[in-house]
Amino acid sequence: DAKTTQPTSMDCAEGRAANLPCNHSTISGNEYVYWYRQIHSQGPQYIIHGLKNNETNEMASLIITEDRKSSTLILPHATLRDTAVYYCIVLKSSGDKLTFGTGTRLAVRP
Amino acid sequence: SAVISQKPSRDICQRGTSLTIQCQVDSQVTMMFWYRQQPGQSLTLIATANQGSEATYESGFVIDKFPISRPNLTFSTLTVSNMSPEDSSIYLCSALGTAHGYTFGSGTRLTVV
Repeated sequence: DAKTTQPTSMDCAEGRAANLPCNHSTISGNEYVYWYRQIHSQGPQYIIHGLKNNETNEMASLIITEDRKSSTLILPHATLRDTAVYYCIVLKSSGDKLTFGTGTRLAVRP
Repeated sequence: SAVISQKPSRDICQRGTSLTIQCQVDSQVTMMFWYRQQPGQSLTLIATANQGSEATYESGFVIDKFPISRPNLTFSTLTVSNMSPEDSSIYLCSALGTAHGYTFGSGTRLTVV
């Protein structure tokens, strides 16, 4: 699976959009971009995934660049409960093993 | 998505003993996995629990230390054997069902003294 690079930490103000970048420059054509988050003392939680089109669900939006070498997870109105470690993971298919990198620690401040 | 119940949620164990962690899924799932998360670290995959056959272990993990069972499509156990303080971690179960995402249990926080 392709390797991903994320900033170690970020912060944003409550109510503002949180934009979390991820680089995956070696991604191949059949690999998906998945985002998970881990709130303190909980197991990881699925957020969203995409192949090449932008995706939106009730939790977030995923913007994938046209060359697919990077993506951005957008939490449109961050709340304190969004404080967590966010993981960007590249997978060939949903049957692949999830391999976690170091992720981005997002702190939402009041 | 599948819902996972993991037991125990935490335990304190003496070195040299073994602990078995149970993972129960509320629906049949195709794949189940076990992860370890050491303090302040990311998750590391221990093994894939295969139904009806031996688990597939990742590099650095062996069956003698982490025996795994998966007797059916909804249940798996991980045993941490002959524990030492270095085994103090959070152990998490994960499952892949018919939906697109992987679901995780809330983890077992193990402290070895």
